[in-house]
Amino acid sequence: NAGVMQNPRHLVRRRGQEARLRCSPMKGHSHVYWYRQLPEEGLKFMVYLQKENIIDESGMPKERFSAEFPKEGPSILRIQQVVRGDSAAYFCASSPSSGLAAWEQFFGPGTRLTVL
Amino acid sequence: GESVGLHLPTLSVQEGDNSIINCAYSNSASDYFIWYKQESGKGPQFIIDIRSNMDKRQGQRVTVLLNKTVKHLSLQIAATQPGDSAVYFCAENEYFNKFYFGSGTKLNVKP
Repeated sequence: NAGVMQNPRHLVRRRGQEARLRCSPMKGHSHVYWYRQLPEEGLKFMVYLQKENIIDESGMPKERFSAEFPKEGPSILRIQQVVRGDSAAYFCASSPSSGLAAWEQFFGPGTRLTVL
Repeated sequence: GESVGLHLPTLSVQEGDNSIINCAYSNSASDYFIWYKQESGKGPQFIIDIRSNMDKRQGQRVTVLLNKTVKHLSLQIAATQPGDSAVYFCAENEYFNKFYFGSGTKLNVKP
């Protein structure tokens, strides 16, 4: 049973380019969460999605950042016109849709974004 | 949002000793907490959780204690091993599936 998959693991972009980060949740999980982690800091919640729905995007910057979780395929975190301050590790987590286990989030290995 | 913080940013222990990692939370409405372990270059890994209707919960070599009166959470690791070296985060559930993470404590296990 594969865990949460994220790709790419490392992504280098120049300022002004777009970054697309992909996350495939664990099999049977329909909830996806994105977090950002700066060096030596904790994870900061960005967005919570279910299939075709954004449930909570209170942690997303108002501009340049967007997320989706389509009916088919992985969840995508998109950063337009990247700036150096976007350099961070971005983690995706998934959880089941119901039951007590719905509270536990399983994390992927992360995508490390470097903006030159 | 509410803050989740840790008392000790770095903890060094001798192999075989017990480790205690602390966490303070400020949202008295939080009803669920998780401890995560993050090794270098990897994503956080679930260790143990506890609900607010409990004071203590034990797992394999780990124990989580919750003191709601002072809004304090601790993780105890028995017989610490080199493989326990990592950064440990407490996460506080504010509502439904939204969690706030503390800034982390780095645990160094000396052989």
